[in-house]
Amino acid sequence: AQSVSQHNHHVILSEAASLELGCNYSYGGTVNLFWYVQYPGQHLQLLLKYFSGDPLVKGIKGFEAEFIKSKFSFNLRKPSVQWSDTAEYFCAVNARGGSYIPTFGRGTSLIVHP
Amino acid sequence: DGGITQSPKYLFRKEGQNVTLSCEQNLNHDAMYWYRQDPGQGLRLIYYSQIVNDFQKGDIAEGYSVSREKKESFPLTVTSAQKNPTAFYLCASSTLENRGQEAFFGQGTRLTVV
Repeated sequence: AQSVSQHNHHVILSEAASLELGCNYSYGGTVNLFWYVQYPGQHLQLLLKYFSGDPLVKGIKGFEAEFIKSKFSFNLRKPSVQWSDTAEYFCAVNARGGSYIPTFGRGTSLIVHP
Repeated sequence: DGGITQSPKYLFRKEGQNVTLSCEQNLNHDAMYWYRQDPGQGLRLIYYSQIVNDFQKGDIAEGYSVSREKKESFPLTVTSAQKNPTAFYLCASSTLENRGQEAFFGQGTRLTVV
């Protein structure tokens, strides 16, 4: 079975600081990888995704993530955070060639102070 | 506008009662999912369905039931057998084409047992 680990449960940053959120998955086969964001009071929405090709993927609002196959990792980064990035972030994986059921990590709560 | 509609947004239940959460999508997606979100535990899969009239248990199906009589609809019933039903419930859908795409989420239903 696939599983997802997010190492940082709570992150507090000041505006303009750099962000990196860790995500590791366990699955022996080929996977699709996602980061979702849940802003306060809003529904979960896709931030970015990786299916194949360039392992560095760019998403909305200046976010990017790098897929490192050898480390089973898909870390999320942003060079300079803003107060509006305050949200909960979820890493997710679904197994390509399998049932495609999304499995989520526990989430990281990010608070950005102005 | 295409999307997923969950209702109601807030629901209060007395102990011993069954309640049904509604989820409708107009995205023509084959797959639909129910997740439960608790603080610090991420999204845990309750049930999923990939075709009409068929559904499968997820990781925490005990005390829940679903039906999929129409492609657009995937209601979740929280039964009195669910020991700790107070939570935030999220419905999602996705296409199964193109090696599995991202999930789209509804706004969620917050269930409170009183």
